[in-house]
Amino acid sequence: NAGVMQNPRHLVRRRGQEARLRCSPMKGHSHVYWYRQLPEEGLKFMVYLQKENIIDESGMPKERFSAEFPKEGPSILRIQQVVRGDSAAYFCASSPRRDSGEQYFGPGTRLTVT
Amino acid sequence: AQKVTQAQTEISVVEKEDVTLDCVYETRDTTYYLFWYKQPPSGELVFLIRRNSFDEQNEISGRYSWNFQKSTSSFNFTITASQVVDSAVYFCALKLLILTGGGNKLTFGTGTQLKVEL
Repeated sequence: NAGVMQNPRHLVRRRGQEARLRCSPMKGHSHVYWYRQLPEEGLKFMVYLQKENIIDESGMPKERFSAEFPKEGPSILRIQQVVRGDSAAYFCASSPRRDSGEQYFGPGTRLTVT
Repeated sequence: AQKVTQAQTEISVVEKEDVTLDCVYETRDTTYYLFWYKQPPSGELVFLIRRNSFDEQNEISGRYSWNFQKSTSSFNFTITASQVVDSAVYFCALKLLILTGGGNKLTFGTGTQLKVEL
């Protein structure tokens, strides 16, 4: 029973390029959460999605960031025109139900913007 | 809004010492979950414990123990007889039980870096 998968594990982008981060939830989980961890900081919530729906995007920056969780395939966090300040670890978590207490985390994607 | 405070930025201990990591939380809701996660140098997040607000029983798991006190809004974590492998960043987190609005996100503290030396 595979856990939450994230790829790539490491991603290097030049300023102005696009970054696409993928998250495959655990089998049977239809709820996905994205968190960002800036260097030397704790994790901050970005967005919560259920299949084909964005439920809560209160933590998403208003520009350049978007997320989707299509009916088929992984959830995608997309960052357009990356800047140095986007360099961080991006973690995805999944849960089987909306009222599930626990969120299962993936290994994270470390984005470096040069 | 919820808030989790981990006032200890970094703690250094010598192996076999006991160490307590503090966590204080703020919420106006009466039903919530509290968590501890470990982040070793490799970077992944390792789940350690979940406690719901109805259950104030302390818990022990091997060398780990947790002290939950609603009266002081604290959920402290103690490692007994620390080992070098315990060196990591430890995060405390809060999640509300409500299903609407911000009820599904985890609110993390800023973490405590624990260094266990020989």
